[in-house]
Amino acid sequence: QKEVEQDPGPLSVPEGAIVSLNCTYSNSAFQYFMWYRQYSRKGPELLMYTYSSGNKEDGRFTAQVDKSSKYISLFIRDSQPSDSATYLCAMSDYKLSFGAGTTVTVRA
Amino acid sequence: NAGVTQTPKFRVLKTGQSMTLLCAQDMNHEYMYWYRQDPGMGLRLIHYSVGEGTTAKGEVPDGYNVSRLKKQNFLLGLESAAPSQTSVYFCASSRSRGGEVEQFFGPGTRLTVL
Repeated sequence: QKEVEQDPGPLSVPEGAIVSLNCTYSNSAFQYFMWYRQYSRKGPELLMYTYSSGNKEDGRFTAQVDKSSKYISLFIRDSQPSDSATYLCAMSDYKLSFGAGTTVTVRA
Repeated sequence: NAGVTQTPKFRVLKTGQSMTLLCAQDMNHEYMYWYRQDPGMGLRLIHYSVGEGTTAKGEVPDGYNVSRLKKQNFLLGLESAAPSQTSVYFCASSRSRGGEVEQFFGPGTRLTVL
């Protein structure tokens, strides 16, 4: 069983829709939870990170962590075609573990 | 400020051939990493370095070697390439290895082994 499970999608939504992405994990030692965004044929770049449980909001993006359920989510409000990318969750105790990534397409 | 750069961008090898991938960073980061990315597998750590002259094994180190002779450079070597090493390789760097610290990634090298 992988330490981090992420549905690879793909996910296709119309412009303006809410995109919901999630990951589950098995290692209760994870303390830092991150979302990286990867555009096609580019390297990943950090989008958001959260420490321990709770919510964090940054513009149209909201990250949620529920450590009791070992479940994290990323919501994208008012999605735009420029949000089309692969989103990777990542988690860390002393090393970073990545999910497989979910490919999102926002249709204009 | 170029960030993290990787050379080459693409390469096709025949089984048994060798090659070296070069990663360079200009952010004065101590930590550097080599990952491979395969469909459905996410990013998997091959080797990493915590400073000049040091290297350590990651999750999938077999078939690869690395060297960090200069702080800004991290080399990944394939001594005898196999088709299972067909992948996209990413180099990354960070200022430390704390869980909250961002890793900065290069643009990737697409390697095909025939």
